[in-house]
Amino acid sequence: AQKVTQAQTEISVVEKEDVTLDCVYETRDTTYYLFWYKQPPSGELVFLIRRNSFDEQNEISGRYSWNFQKSTSSFNFTITASQVVDSAVYFCALRGAFGNEKLTFGTGTRLTIIP
Amino acid sequence: DTGVSQDPRHKITKRGQNVTFRCDPISEHNRLYWYRQTLGQGPEFLTYFQNEAQLEKSRLLSDRFSAERPKGSFSTLEIQRTEQGDSAMYLCASSPPRGGPRGNTEAFFGQGTRLTVV
Repeated sequence: AQKVTQAQTEISVVEKEDVTLDCVYETRDTTYYLFWYKQPPSGELVFLIRRNSFDEQNEISGRYSWNFQKSTSSFNFTITASQVVDSAVYFCALRGAFGNEKLTFGTGTRLTIIP
Repeated sequence: DTGVSQDPRHKITKRGQNVTFRCDPISEHNRLYWYRQTLGQGPEFLTYFQNEAQLEKSRLLSDRFSAERPKGSFSTLEIQRTEQGDSAMYLCASSPPRGGPRGNTEAFFGQGTRLTVV
């Protein structure tokens, strides 16, 4: 069985502060994929990043960075110098190996950036 | 706009009525998925198509739910004899063909159809 836990239900930070969203996952698959999606008030899930289980190199993309720690089964997401437009619900998701197409989502973290 | 398109965006129906939703995936995406999202929760998987074949169905998909993708392009999701518990956002997503272990596996989502059963 696969499981994704996002323990932070809601986070509020003042604009320009850095914020980290936590994600912990469980899977028995040796090959798997991790994702972060953003869901703004409009409702559409916007893909942010995919990480393969066999590639533990962390990544930075502009103000976004991701920390994948296989040893602790965590895939955390950091926004640097937050902006009001970052306000949304963020979901971490997990997909198993080839043949297992289902995305398992966490319950999401609602991020509010206070101007 | 070449993203995933869903129609309608909103649907209000009376309990017991049948409803049908449509999803048009991104062109050339052979994989299509339906998810359901209730308030305060993450999306939950309903079903998956590869081309026209429905390869996986969740236990959440009761006998009142049926999904089709007749020509491997657009898909429909029908709910018969709707119940108040069916009220949710129904999300469609599509993915390109897998390109080996490092191939693209991300799913691209539409804006969803919000169903309210009264």
